Amino acid sequence: QQQVKQSPQSLIVQKGGIPIINCAYENTAFDYFPWYQQFPGKGPALLIAIRPDVSEKKEGRFTISFNKSAKQFSLHIMDSQPGDSATYFCAASMGLRNTGNQFYFGTGTSLTVIP
Amino acid sequence: DSGVTQTPKHLITATGQRVTLRCSPRSGDLSVYWYQQSLDQGLQFLIQYYNGEERAKGNILERFSAQQFPDLHSELNLSSLELGDSALYFCASSVSSISYEQYFGPGTRLTVT
Repeated sequence: QQQVKQSPQSLIVQKGGIPIINCAYENTAFDYFPWYQQFPGKGPALLIAIRPDVSEKKEGRFTISFNKSAKQFSLHIMDSQPGDSATYFCAASMGLRNTGNQFYFGTGTSLTVIP
Repeated sequence: DSGVTQTPKHLITATGQRVTLRCSPRSGDLSVYWYQQSLDQGLQFLIQYYNGEERAKGNILERFSAQQFPDLHSELNLSSLELGDSALYFCASSVSSISYEQYFGPGTRLTVT
């Protein structure tokens, strides 16, 4: 069972556009929601993350919107650039002191930004 | 560069064989995570170690095992390999057992023929 559902699978936007990637989760025990960016041949890199006690977080051109009641969160990339072309993964996690920390990843969104 | 190193970068082996993947965490990080990334399954959490002890277990097959050594490097052992084990294997590290910021290595691409 997929703990975190991500959409769309792929996305093509023009330079300057605002791609939006959506994720949904079921387990209300999750307390950390990161987004990772992965370029071909590289490992995922942490981009931005949010806790469920805030509804929005911005870091540079990247914004996470979080809707706790709907159990959904999304990534917005402002003024997208060709260099943003990559695969983006959302994830969810809950840390339990005695049992460690398990992360559940979405299936990824391949973003292409056309110059 | 995340500071996490993984060796080898590529590995080609035959079905039924056994391989060992190695990971060195970032300096100061005590926790190591292993993930499998395949085209049809996405990024799947396998197992977490913290300071030498297993802390969390995900979808890890019984044919797979891992350990973390006193110098904090970790090894993932894959045995009785099947074609379906072909994938990218990533290691990630974090400061503590429940810290949320993970840093991923460049991965090992395993091809089973």
